[in-house]
Amino acid sequence: DGGITQSPKYLFRKEGQNVTLSCEQNLNHDAMYWYRQDPGQGLRLIYYSQIVNDFQKGDIAEGYSVSREKKESFPLTVTSAQKNPTAFYLCASSMAHNLYNEQFFGPGTRLTVL
Amino acid sequence: GNSVTQMEGPVTLSEEAFLTINCTYTATGYPSLFWYVQYPGEGLQLLLKATKADDKGSNKGFEATYRKETTSFHLEKGSVQVSDSAVYFCALKGPSDDYKLSFGAGTTVTVRA
Repeated sequence: DGGITQSPKYLFRKEGQNVTLSCEQNLNHDAMYWYRQDPGQGLRLIYYSQIVNDFQKGDIAEGYSVSREKKESFPLTVTSAQKNPTAFYLCASSMAHNLYNEQFFGPGTRLTVL
Repeated sequence: GNSVTQMEGPVTLSEEAFLTINCTYTATGYPSLFWYVQYPGEGLQLLLKATKADDKGSNKGFEATYRKETTSFHLEKGSVQVSDSAVYFCALKGPSDDYKLSFGAGTTVTVRA
């Protein structure tokens, strides 16, 4: 089955620690995205990548970093510089980053900072 | 920049009732419009989309029409089921914002048996 997998589903972190969230897709999509969702709010874009070895900052990139070394993988690192990292993180992919293609979402990772 | 405003919830309905969730947008040019649905604890699923004015998207009994003149994309379903209980997000993307997807705040819908 083609799709997007995110791991782990739940993640707990102590303050001051970096943590990396995994996102893998087997849809052969060129574009990948990371969003943050807070209770009662819409999704906010953290980073996106239109193609391998390239990525751009979204609206709330501060305190986060990404890499795109392989087409199928787009890991997100939440650094200790992120002031309020507790949230639900969603990864998405799209055939291409353009006007028409929809984005497909993974099941999400819920990060809690203790 | 682009923005989406959708009806605030929560919305509570009885089974077989008619559902409407209002969505209006602000964008330069001709964006594409989307409705996504999120079930508890899950990611988002595309419900329907429309990519040009007067297009009607439809799926699973849900419909929405791209109205350029009123900058709206209201979601409707004629007879809801308990299984339609979820959070619904209106979203758009357009060339003026590098095709980034902009989401509304979401509307929580609960359908009672």
